[in-house]
Amino acid sequence: AQSVSQHNHHVILSEAASLELGCNYSYGGTVNLFWYVQYPGQHLQLLLKYFSGDPLVKGIKGFEAEFIKSKFSFNLRKPSVQWSDTAEYFCAVIRTGGGNKLTFGTGTQLKVEL
Amino acid sequence: GAVVSQHPSWVICKSGTSVKIECRSLDFQATTMFWYRQFPKQSLMLMATSNEGSKATYEQGVEKDKFLINHASLTLSTLTVTSAHPEDSSFYICSARTNRDRDEAFFGQGTRLTVV
Repeated sequence: AQSVSQHNHHVILSEAASLELGCNYSYGGTVNLFWYVQYPGQHLQLLLKYFSGDPLVKGIKGFEAEFIKSKFSFNLRKPSVQWSDTAEYFCAVIRTGGGNKLTFGTGTQLKVEL
Repeated sequence: GAVVSQHPSWVICKSGTSVKIECRSLDFQATTMFWYRQFPKQSLMLMATSNEGSKATYEQGVEKDKFLINHASLTLSTLTVTSAHPEDSSFYICSARTNRDRDEAFFGQGTRLTVV
């Protein structure tokens, strides 16, 4: 079965620190990859997505992610976090031809301290 | 981005009663909506895929007679938890995809169900 792993469940950083959240998936075929963010009390929102092309994708709010096919990874990065980045981050995968079902990772709770 | 509205945001019901949760796409038509369940500190688990005008497709292990899904129009899908029990208490989230970009999902704000 397809699975998505997020290794860091809780991350605490100081403002201006760099961020990298890991995401690995288990499916070997063609995939579409997503990072979603959920700010406290708000909907899940799309941060960025990868379908094809340049494996380094840039999203909103200074986030970027790199798709490394050989490692089945799609790690999320931000060079300098802000207090307002405190949220829960979910990696998600769609296996193309798999019924358009999004499979989510377990999420990473990020807390940015002033 | 597109807006998905879910109602109610939270509900408390007695054991044995049924609860209906609505999911509306406000500014787009959604031929497909998805229902998820999220347990504390766990991922979103897909329960079923709701297709307008046809029967929902349930994931393995999800009781279709307990979680009734109706997708009667291109902007509305409902999830009814029938004969609710305390173990059904959870956070339920719907999502929908626009026809313009089939692979980007927009999410409702979720419904916190507590069965007492």
